[in-house]
Amino acid sequence: DGGITQSPKYLFRKEGQNVTLSCEQNLNHDAMYWYRQDPGQGLRLIYYSQIVNDFQKGDIAEGYSVSREKKESFPLTVTSAQKNPTAFYLCASSPKDRGGPGGGYTFGSGTRLTVV
Amino acid sequence: SQQGEEDPQALSIQEGENATMNCSYKTSINNLQWYRQNSGRGLVHLILIRSNEREKHSGRLRVTLDTSKKSSSLLITASRAADTASYFCATVLNTGGFKTIFGAGTRLFVKA
Repeated sequence: DGGITQSPKYLFRKEGQNVTLSCEQNLNHDAMYWYRQDPGQGLRLIYYSQIVNDFQKGDIAEGYSVSREKKESFPLTVTSAQKNPTAFYLCASSPKDRGGPGGGYTFGSGTRLTVV
Repeated sequence: SQQGEEDPQALSIQEGENATMNCSYKTSINNLQWYRQNSGRGLVHLILIRSNEREKHSGRLRVTLDTSKKSSSLLITASRAADTASYFCATVLNTGGFKTIFGAGTRLFVKA
């Protein structure tokens, strides 16, 4: 079955440590995204990528980094510069035309990151 | 209010009743999408309605869009306990690029 796989489901980070969240899709989607979700809030866009080897900052990119070396993969690194990283992180993908007949985002099941 | 703001924030109903959630937005949109999120899980796409459409149906879901009022509603008919989840609207702006704004969601609780 096609879909998006995020791993790990739970992740604990110590102060000053970088951690990387994995996101893999087999939907042949061009675009991939990382969102952050905090309790009672909407999703906020961290980074997105429309094509391999290219990505753009979203609304809250500070303290995060990404890479897009393969179409299927879009890992997110939460760096020590991110002062409040505890949150639920969601990866999504879409065809290039989000509003097309098959429009809409496909989301992974999320990674819950906690600073300890 | 923010772009893509849902109302109410929370809703509790009995099984079998209808549930209505609203979404208001500020700027011109290309399309509007509704998603469901079960606790601790990712979002699941429910339905997409384009700016030139007024109503769409999918099973027990009915979505309306009023571009003059910049608002949309999601109606779930004959609700079930399994419909308990958070529901989000996402507005895809009528600009180039990938600008989609998600609201904070409506938490629906359906009592059996």
